[in-house]
Amino acid sequence: DIQLTQSPSFLSASVGDRVIITCRASQGISSSLAWYQQKPGKAPKLLIYSASTLQSGVASRFSGSGSGTEFTLTISSLQPEDFATYYCQQVKSYPQTFGPGTKVDIK
Amino acid sequence: EVQLVESGGGLVQPGGSLRLSCAASAFIFSDYYMDWVRQAPGKGLEWVGRIRNKANSYTTEYAASVKGRFTISRDDSKNSLYLQMNSLKTEDTAVYYCARAGVGAAFDYWGQGNLVTVSS
Repeated sequence: DIQLTQSPSFLSASVGDRVIITCRASQGISSSLAWYQQKPGKAPKLLIYSASTLQSGVASRFSGSGSGTEFTLTISSLQPEDFATYYCQQVKSYPQTFGPGTKVDIK
Repeated sequence: EVQLVESGGGLVQPGGSLRLSCAASAFIFSDYYMDWVRQAPGKGLEWVGRIRNKANSYTTEYAASVKGRFTISRDDSKNSLYLQMNSLKTEDTAVYYCARAGVGAAFDYWGQGNLVTVSS
């Protein structure tokens, strides 16, 4: 199985900050990676697919990059509605796996 | 507007069975692969399994943790997805989400989530 790790696991930031979350895969997955945002009690929301393609309707302050084994999700200027938990997911092979999550909290 | 609405969750004893349903609307359900994802209380997301579309013979994939106990099926005439869960264990306690696999195989639409509690 392909394992995903995320760093940091917890991040405290202020409105307006640039935030970078890293996801590393245990083996190469090309660009077969997605990013999701989840708020408490809600279903996850797709932000980025194919490592760097912004999902329709998602704010342009979100961007993704990377390929192979290392990927990043960047929020260029953190907004109040962005405080949430972020997960990466590999869709390269079965079983599909998610990273453990990165919780972004208010500083 | 695309919607996925789940039903069928609840409390069940260990060793028992439960079937979850997911009703889809506002898209051509039969064209898409559909997945189930779960989230134990306070934990992260865990992929449960997938069913492909008719063009791909409705074949399925499962996580090792549920293989042989859970069965995913679909009824395209009813725009519905199902998760039959047998031999339930306490560790199956989670919120279960159905999700549509869209562009790039990512999950672009999710149901609202349905809590399954396995406890005596």
